[in-house]
Amino acid sequence: QKEVEQDPGPLSVPEGAIVSLNCTYSNSAFQYFMWYRQYSRKGPELLMYTYSSGNKEDGRFTAQVDKSSKYISLFIRDSQPSDSATYLCAMSAYSGNTPLVFGKGTRLSVIA
Amino acid sequence: DAGITQSPRYKITETGRQVTLMCHQTWSHSYMFWYRQDLGHGLRLIYYSAAADITDKGEVPDGYVVSRSKTENFPLTLESATRSQTSVYFCASSRGAGTGELFFGEGSRLTVL
Repeated sequence: QKEVEQDPGPLSVPEGAIVSLNCTYSNSAFQYFMWYRQYSRKGPELLMYTYSSGNKEDGRFTAQVDKSSKYISLFIRDSQPSDSATYLCAMSAYSGNTPLVFGKGTRLSVIA
Repeated sequence: DAGITQSPRYKITETGRQVTLMCHQTWSHSYMFWYRQDLGHGLRLIYYSAAADITDKGEVPDGYVVSRSKTENFPLTLESATRSQTSVYFCASSRGAGTGELFFGEGSRLTVL
């Protein structure tokens, strides 16, 4: 079993829909959880960053962490065609010296 | 310009040739990373470096060599390229290995014939 599992999609939704992207993980030591967004032929960029359990909201984006279920989610409200990208979850156990572990990424298309 | 730059952006080579991908960052970040990204595998860590002259293996280090004589540079060398090394390579930098804010370059697309 991979440490981080993420459905690769592709996921196609109409403009304005609520999108839910998810990852599960097996390492209970993970404490830092991130979502990166990657546009076609570009490098990933950090979108959301959360520590431990709970929710974090930033505009149309909400990140949720449920450590008891080892499950993290990213919600996109009022999705736009500009949200079309690959979304990668990433996580780490320590803030100092352990590299991030990435999910494989979910490819999202928002259709106008 | 400030940031992280990779070169070349595109490279075609033949099996058995040596190839070096360059990475340069201007933030003086301690950590630098090399990933490869392949369909079905996502981002996989090849090597990373915590500081000049300190490097460590990632998930898929075989066939690759790195060095870091200066904080700002982290070249990746394929000593004898194989077709299985055809991929998109991303360099990244950060203040810490697991703090989350990785800054990625634009990628180097390598094709090995």
